[in-house]
Amino acid sequence: EVQLVESGGGLVQPGRSLRLSCAASGFTFDDYAMHWVRQAPGKGLEWVSGISWNSGSIGYADSVKGRFTISRDNAKNSLYLQMNSLRAEDTALYYCAKVTTVTPTGAFDIWGQGTMVTVSS
Amino acid sequence: QSALTQPASVSGSPGQSITISCTGTSSDVGSYNLVSWYQQHPGKAPKLMIYEVSKRPSGVSNRFSGSKSGNTASLTISGLQAEDEADYYCCSYAGSSTLWVFGGGTKLTVL
Repeated sequence: EVQLVESGGGLVQPGRSLRLSCAASGFTFDDYAMHWVRQAPGKGLEWVSGISWNSGSIGYADSVKGRFTISRDNAKNSLYLQMNSLRAEDTALYYCAKVTTVTPTGAFDIWGQGTMVTVSS
Repeated sequence: QSALTQPASVSGSPGQSITISCTGTSSDVGSYNLVSWYQQHPGKAPKLMIYEVSKRPSGVSNRFSGSKSGNTASLTISGLQAEDEADYYCCSYAGSSTLWVFGGGTKLTVL
C-alpha cells in the first residue's frame, strides 16, 4: 500500500525551530518529486515547498523562503522540512505529498494525513 | 504569489451538473497545462480528481471533468451525488521559482 506518514509537529514558541519528517512506503521513493503543502485551521491549501527526485530542483513559497529548508534522504525513503524562525502564521496542518513525476511539476497524487504545527507563546 | 480565484461556494441538486471556475493569470493557468483539482472532505486529506487540466486518475469517476480557456480553468461535476459534497481546490504550476499556487477553495453543497 502506498503510504506517507508525517511526524514532528507540535507546539512551538515564535522564533523557534521545528523539523518535520515524512516516511514513504509502498512505492519507489526516488522515482518521484515530493512536496509539502499546509492548511491553516479553517483555511485553504497553501503550497510550501517541493523537491525533485535527486534534490537538484527545489522551490519555496515566498512566505517561507529563507526560513524553511526542504530535503530528502532517498536511502531512508524520507522527506524533511526544517522550519526556522517560526511565526504565528505558520500554524497549520502540514501535509507531505507525492507527485506523479520525477520533477516537481507533477500533480499531487498521494497525500499523508498531516502533522499539526502550532506556533504560540 | 497570489492565490487562484475560485467561488467560495456552489450548490446543486442530485443529478444536476455544476461547474467550478478557477481564474489565474498569464503566469500560471494561462501559461501551463498543469492545472489540477483536489477534493477534500472534512477532516480528510485532499484527493486528486483531475490533473493536467483534463486527465482523470485511475479510480476517479468520469462524472468529473476539467477544461481550460485562457487564464481560467474549470471543473465540472455531472450527475451530482451526495458524496460529492466537499471542498474543491484548483492548483496550477506557476514556473520554476514559485512552482505551485492553489485556489482559495470552493465549498460544494448538494441540496
